[in-house]
Amino acid sequence: AQSVSQHNHHVILSEAASLELGCNYSYGGTVNLFWYVQYPGQHLQLLLKYFSGDPLVKGIKGFEAEFIKSKFSFNLRKPSVQWSDTAEYFCAVYGNKLVFGAGTILRVKS
Amino acid sequence: DGGITQSPKYLFRKEGQNVTLSCEQNLNHDAMYWYRQDPGQGLRLIYYSQIVNDFQKGDIAEGYSVSREKKESFPLTVTSAQKNPTAFYLCATKQGLNDYGYTFGSGTRLTVV
Repeated sequence: AQSVSQHNHHVILSEAASLELGCNYSYGGTVNLFWYVQYPGQHLQLLLKYFSGDPLVKGIKGFEAEFIKSKFSFNLRKPSVQWSDTAEYFCAVYGNKLVFGAGTILRVKS
Repeated sequence: DGGITQSPKYLFRKEGQNVTLSCEQNLNHDAMYWYRQDPGQGLRLIYYSQIVNDFQKGDIAEGYSVSREKKESFPLTVTSAQKNPTAFYLCATKQGLNDYGYTFGSGTRLTVV
């Protein structure tokens, strides 16, 4: 069975701090990996995705994620967060269906 | 504008009543999905449909029903058998089997009183 685990449910950072949100998955076959973001009161939006090739993928708004196959991980990073990054972030994995993690609420203090 | 329309945005129903949530898309996408979002649990798959007149149960299908009579429409009925129906419901579409780009609607918040 597929599952996705996000390490932290709530993260609070000051502006300009670096961000890393952990995501691990379990699935026996080939996967496609996603990070989605949901800003307060808005739709889910795709932040970035990994299908194949370079395991370091860059997304919108300065976010990037690294797929480490041996660790079944796909952590999201941003070198310097802004107040506008306050949102809920979801890791998702597509093996035979799209499965989401529980989400991480990021609050950036200005 | 191409997109997904979920209606209504907010819905209140009395306990024991069935209620149907609408999801309409004009993206010409083949696959449609219903997810339920609860705080601290992420999004969980209720039902999905890859083609018209066919649908499959997701991880938490109990207490829900769907139909897919038209490509554009995938309504979700929350029945009285659903023990905890108060939640945020999201509809999503995907263009085809080999496409992994999901598009999400704006959601319906259902509150059962």
